[in-house]
Amino acid sequence: GQNIDQPTEMTATEGAIVQINCTYQTSGFNGLFWYQQHAGEAPTFLSYNVLDGLEEKGRFSSFLSRSKGYSYLLLKELQMKDSASYLCAVRGSNTGFQKLVFGTGTRLLVSP
Amino acid sequence: DAGITQSPRHKVTETGTPVTLRCHQTENHRYMYWYRQDPGHGLRLIHYSYGVKDTDKGEVSDGYSVSRSKTEDFLLTLESATSSQTSVYFCAISVDRGSYGYTFGSGTRLTVV
Repeated sequence: GQNIDQPTEMTATEGAIVQINCTYQTSGFNGLFWYQQHAGEAPTFLSYNVLDGLEEKGRFSSFLSRSKGYSYLLLKELQMKDSASYLCAVRGSNTGFQKLVFGTGTRLLVSP
Repeated sequence: DAGITQSPRHKVTETGTPVTLRCHQTENHRYMYWYRQDPGHGLRLIHYSYGVKDTDKGEVSDGYSVSRSKTEDFLLTLESATSSQTSVYFCAISVDRGSYGYTFGSGTRLTVV
């Protein structure tokens, strides 16, 4: 089976840096995804990691350690529009088919 | 945009009635998925399709059926709606293995009364 854990809620201040952690236990691993979801909207793709290390994309970075079953999403220079839920999702490799399993999401509230 | 649309966007239905939700894509992607999203549970896979007439169950498939007669359309049917199926339903598409993950539709908010 697969289990993905992330904090339920986090708060931060505009302009600050926040790190959202995700730990996972999966039978097989073939990639970890982060999605952003604003209230009432669809999730949108943020980042993808399949090898260990840091992937940077503008204000957002994502890190992966496969040996530790651990990832984090780092958001820099926070803006009010970053208030959203952030979903961690893992793709297992045992099915031979691309299928993502999602964590329950971390709701981030950015205050002025 | 991504070329994936869901209909209807909102629906209220009565317990015991059948309901069909539609997902339509213009991307010619092979893989399509139906998820439901509920507070405290995140996104859970209902059914998925890996080609025309090729479908399989996800983790919460009881009470749901799907059909895919054309590449572009993936239908989700609630055979006899129950209040526990009140949820937001998302359709998603993907190309194949790769770094693109899924592209999601805008969702259908279904209320069963």
